[in-house]
This record gives sequence, C-alpha cells and structure tokens, in this order.
Amino acid sequence: GESVGLHLPTLSVQEGDNSIINCAYSNSASDYFIWYKQESGKGPQFIIDIRSNMDKRQGQRVTVLLNKTVKHLSLQIAATQPGDSAVYFCAARFKSGGSQGNLIFGKGTKLSVKP
Amino acid sequence: DGGITQSPKYLFRKEGQNVTLSCEQNLNHDAMYWYRQDPGQGLRLIYYSQIVNDFQKGDIAEGYSVSREKKESFPLTVTSAQKNPTAFYLCASSIIGDGELFFGEGSRLTVL
Repeated sequence: GESVGLHLPTLSVQEGDNSIINCAYSNSASDYFIWYKQESGKGPQFIIDIRSNMDKRQGQRVTVLLNKTVKHLSLQIAATQPGDSAVYFCAARFKSGGSQGNLIFGKGTKLSVKP
Repeated sequence: DGGITQSPKYLFRKEGQNVTLSCEQNLNHDAMYWYRQDPGQGLRLIYYSQIVNDFQKGDIAEGYSVSREKKESFPLTVTSAQKNPTAFYLCASSIIGDGELFFGEGSRLTVL
C-alpha cells in the first residue's frame, strides 16, 4: 500500500543554522504534499504545501522541494530558531486508494534547536 | 475566531467503558476526520465524513464509532472493543477537494 516515510526520526541543529528535513513517498501518483509542525501536546499546524506540478515553493523562512523522479520531499528551514523545535510531519495525498484520496502521514522528525 | 474545538483535552477511562470525544468546527467545512496518534507513529485515520449523516471507515476503525448529525460536529466514541485505546486523538476538518487539514488541539485518552 501507499506509504510516507521520513529519513531521520530526530534532528538536532544549532540556532541560526539551516535545517533540512527529508521525506520519501511510495506512490508516484500522489498529487499533493504538505508539511505540518506539531508542538508537544498540541495539534499539528500547517507550514507549507506543494502540488505535484511544482518543484519548489517558498514561504516565510521555509522552502519545500519536491523531486518526483526519486519521490522525495524536503522541508528547509532557514535560520532555525528555538521556537522551531517541534515534530515535523510530511503527508502525501494519493490519487487512488488510501482511504479515498486522504492524506497519508509519515512518522515525523523531531527537530531540536540548540542555543 | 474560526477553528476546531476538541474536548475534553484529557480523559481517563476504566477498562470496559465507552467514552465519547467531542469535535466541533465553525469553519463551514464539509469534511471532518478523526486521527489517532501514538508515540513515534504517524497519524492514522480512524473515520472520516464528507457530508452530514454519512461517514467512512479509515485505516483503523475497529473499536471506534462516529456520528455526523450536524455539519459542525463529529463526535468519536471509543468503545470497549478497542483493545488499546490509550492514545492522542486528533480531529480535523477540510474543504472537500482541498488538501489542507485544519486540526484541533487533541484529546489525550488514558485507560486505567
């Protein structure tokens, strides 16, 4: 079945450095991808999304890159701050199967920012 | 302010009891969802609904039930048939056809 996976369950970076969180997906038919940030004990918050007809999308301090050839997605956070410490989830929407095209979530990467 | 409200935030249950988690949204979204989150795991879909009085099983529906009598409300009942109910439960809503899910703050259920 469809799956979404993250390369590293944890990532530790120095404050001010850039962070890169990676994600892989299995179904080449997926058409939409999204990143969420989840702080401890809270619900996930939307960060940025991208559709399959794009390779890159930028937001405020965040960039999402999509490589459809290798089915890889990454989230880049510029000038990482202590407030960026959280668990980051990627999710993909598959056009067929997977609960009628609902989002399939990866397991999350816990980002820790060292002062 | 528009958003999704889940209650209670924390809930304790004895084995063999049913419990109901509330989810209300005022975003005028047609679709609503319930996810379960366990430590080190991604979000797993329990049930979802795209229209009032209709809902569909997700990937882990066994031991759970839902209702959708109003567009704004999508309560989840964790029944005694759910063998491992201790988890963090997240409710979400979305515009049908749009990918972004809007999440509530979650309800943490602990079985004693």
